[in-house]
Amino acid sequence: RKEVEQDPGPFNVPEGATVAFNCTYSNSASQSFFWYRQDCRKEPKLLMSVYSSGNEDGRFTAQLNRASQYISLLIRDSKLSDSATYLCVVNNAGNMLTFGGGTRLMVKP
Amino acid sequence: DAGVIQSPRHEVTEMGQEVTLRCKPISGHNSLFWYRQTMMRGLELLIYFNNNVPIDDSGMPEDRFSAKMPNASFSTLKIQPSEPRDSAVYFCASSRVPGYTFGSGTRLTVV
Repeated sequence: RKEVEQDPGPFNVPEGATVAFNCTYSNSASQSFFWYRQDCRKEPKLLMSVYSSGNEDGRFTAQLNRASQYISLLIRDSKLSDSATYLCVVNNAGNMLTFGGGTRLMVKP
Repeated sequence: DAGVIQSPRHEVTEMGQEVTLRCKPISGHNSLFWYRQTMMRGLELLIYFNNNVPIDDSGMPEDRFSAKMPNASFSTLKIQPSEPRDSAVYFCASSRVPGYTFGSGTRLTVV
């Protein structure tokens, strides 16, 4: 079993739709959590951290459920520019991050 | 801030040749990471340095791979001899807790 699991997608949604991605992690001792975004043929970039109380950044909302070892990302009012791969990331120890395989999102006009 | 700088951006080499990938981390970042990304396996951590010292190299596939960080501003990842299955995008990332900044990657093709 992979340490961080995501549905690879693709998720095909129309502009303006709300879409949610989920991620599960296997290490109950994981300490911090992130969502990264990766555009085609580019490097991953930090989208947002995920806090236990849940957090929001504009159209993006991240949630963490430690009991279920589950992380989510909600995107409201999808834009064409949101099309990318979204990587769920977990920090288990020290400064080492473990990346999920990513979920691909395609927003269509 | 110039970000994490990797070179070359693209490398095409013949099987059996030595390949050296280079990385300049962000000044002041004390951790450096080498990742490999393929369609099949996603992003895999190869090796992790902290204050120029290798901390975890358990992800290095085999003895053909080696990495060095002679100083805080430079690291190399070497593959010798290269094989077609080494074809991938190799990313370097640096960090001062929390979060990473990735370089643009080196796309390696071994033919």
